[in-house]
Amino acid sequence: AQSVTQPDIHITVSEGASLELRCNYSYGATPYLFWYVQSPGQGLQLLLKYFSGDTLVQGIKGFEAEFKRSQSSFNLRKPSVHWSDAAEYFCAVGAQGRTDKLIFGTGTRLQVFP
Amino acid sequence: IAGITQAPTSQILAAGRRMTLRCTQDMRHNAMYWYRQDLGLGLRLIHYSNTAGTTGKGEVPDGYSVSRANTDDFPLTLASAVPSQTSVYFCASSDQPGYETEAFFGQGTRLTVV
Repeated sequence: AQSVTQPDIHITVSEGASLELRCNYSYGATPYLFWYVQSPGQGLQLLLKYFSGDTLVQGIKGFEAEFKRSQSSFNLRKPSVHWSDAAEYFCAVGAQGRTDKLIFGTGTRLQVFP
Repeated sequence: IAGITQAPTSQILAAGRRMTLRCTQDMRHNAMYWYRQDLGLGLRLIHYSNTAGTTGKGEVPDGYSVSRANTDDFPLTLASAVPSQTSVYFCASSDQPGYETEAFFGQGTRLTVV
């Protein structure tokens, strides 16, 4: 069965520090992988996505993620975090053409200290 | 500004009452979705519609119904609300089904069933 695990419920970093948010997935075929960000009181916004090709994908707001098939992972990274990055981050896995098959992780809440 | 509009933004509802959450998009997207977001569970798909006139069940459809009479509107109805339906509800849309194209989310409806 399709599933997504975000092992870290809450992460705290200092502004300017590097960030890595973990995401592990379980899916029988080549997955479609996504990272979304949710600011307080807002809906979700797509940060980046991976369908195929280069395993390192660049997204908006300076984020990137690397698909590692051998580890079933799609970790999100940012070299230098800004206070405005404080939000909740969701990893999701989907299947081509399958609207009913986008599964979200439980989210990681990022707190940024000045 | 183009996007997705959800109404109401919040609602307190007595158990057993009927409630319709409204969702309208002006991007002429084919696909629309309803999710519920619960703490520790992430987002779960309730119902979806790949195109006007069609609907499908997601992961947690029980107690909810939807209709898609036209491209722009995708209302979600709770026929007889129960406390377990207390949640934040997000409507989303994408140009095509299956998430190859970016899904855009509304700002959510916070529903409390008492």
